[in-house]
Amino acid sequence: AQSVTQLGSHVSVSEGALVLLRCNYSSSVPPYLFWYVQYPNQGLQLLLKYTSAATLVKGINGFEAEFKKSETSFHLTKPSAHMSDAAEYFCAVSGPSYGQNFVFGPGTRLSVLP
Amino acid sequence: DTAVSQTPKYLVTQMGNDKSIKCEQNLGHDTMYWYKQDSKKFLKIMFSYNNKELIINETVPNRFSPKSPDKAHLNLHINSLELGDSAVYFCASSQPPGGVQYFGPGTRLLVL
Repeated sequence: AQSVTQLGSHVSVSEGALVLLRCNYSSSVPPYLFWYVQYPNQGLQLLLKYTSAATLVKGINGFEAEFKKSETSFHLTKPSAHMSDAAEYFCAVSGPSYGQNFVFGPGTRLSVLP
Repeated sequence: DTAVSQTPKYLVTQMGNDKSIKCEQNLGHDTMYWYKQDSKKFLKIMFSYNNKELIINETVPNRFSPKSPDKAHLNLHINSLELGDSAVYFCASSQPPGGVQYFGPGTRLLVL
């Protein structure tokens, strides 16, 4: 069975500061890992995904995430936060086989302070 | 040219009513999903269909019945609506295995 935990339901950073959102996963098979962003009153939008190629994955809007198998982590970072980054962020894990569904983490709400 | 669309966007109704939400995807994906997002933003998968066949049916009351007339459409019918059904319902599609899920804009259901 797969599962995802996201440490910190709410993270606040100042504009221009480093953003670090934590994600740890549990999977019995090599995982596919994803980060999604949800802006207020909108659907989920893919930020980036890991599918067993490079361990450092670059996504949209300046975000990147690093897959660390030894730590079973896939933390999301951005060097400098913008006000427009304020949103809910979800980490998700999926298996490589047909029929293995996404499992989403509980989400982390990012606030960016001026 | 929206990839995944849902109608209606908002749905306000009384307890005990029956309602449907429609979903369509034009991405050519084989798999479609319904998720429920509660007030704390937690996303829970409800159903998954592949090529019109049900493959995932999580612990959901049988008042919820999905229907897939073809692989581009997955509708959700809810009977005898209850207050606890108030949530945002998202449709999504993907190309398995391990494909990115693309989400619709959501249907905000409020049961009074």
